[in-house]
Amino acid sequence: ETGVTQTPRHLVMGMTNKKSLKCEQHLGHNAMYWYKQSAKKPLELMFVYNFKEQTENNSVPSRFSPECPNSSHLFLHLHTLQPEDSALYLCASRRGVEFSEQYFGPGTRLTVT
Amino acid sequence: GQNIDQPTEMTATEGAIVQINCTYQTSGFNGLFWYQQHAGEAPTFLSYNVLDGLEEKGRFSSFLSRSKGYSYLLLKELQMKDSASYLCAVTNSNYQLIWGAGTKLIIKP
Repeated sequence: ETGVTQTPRHLVMGMTNKKSLKCEQHLGHNAMYWYKQSAKKPLELMFVYNFKEQTENNSVPSRFSPECPNSSHLFLHLHTLQPEDSALYLCASRRGVEFSEQYFGPGTRLTVT
Repeated sequence: GQNIDQPTEMTATEGAIVQINCTYQTSGFNGLFWYQQHAGEAPTFLSYNVLDGLEEKGRFSSFLSRSKGYSYLLLKELQMKDSASYLCAVTNSNYQLIWGAGTKLIIKP
């Protein structure tokens, strides 16, 4: 496999469910990101991990919980979500947090009912 | 605050040239990126500018003026497959990426 992969690609969950999104990068990068993309809005940065350490949390509600067990894997644990959390969730990786471009996964389309 | 402005939508004709503008106000500057995103797909990297001037890469070129807080993406010889959203993003002094909302480009035959 190459690049950045995300599973599942689509997810429908109720407000009381618990689910997890998974991201894996095969690029040897050290930084990983979670973004939320809603229609006609800028990409919203949620979390940044650099060498497995969380370096940014952009005031994300606690119902979103990230986990980064190693530099290649990133999870986003979801619980008691709200309908307004329905969006495309994108994972990205980068060689370092400074100058290089980000490589994005295909995203998980999340619908909260 | 920090923000990036891009037109919401543009329309152009196949074979023509289109220029997508991006203006930014950020706390410091450490480079500007352009990404392309087809509907339902992930953004893909197009170009990176950190110094003033024009960077050319095939049919696509990107220009930067740091003093004006301004960039544009120029697409030549437009093809139907260029129909996509184009995202402008700036790295600020803390190396945070600030994203624009994207410009949806519609190509007509």
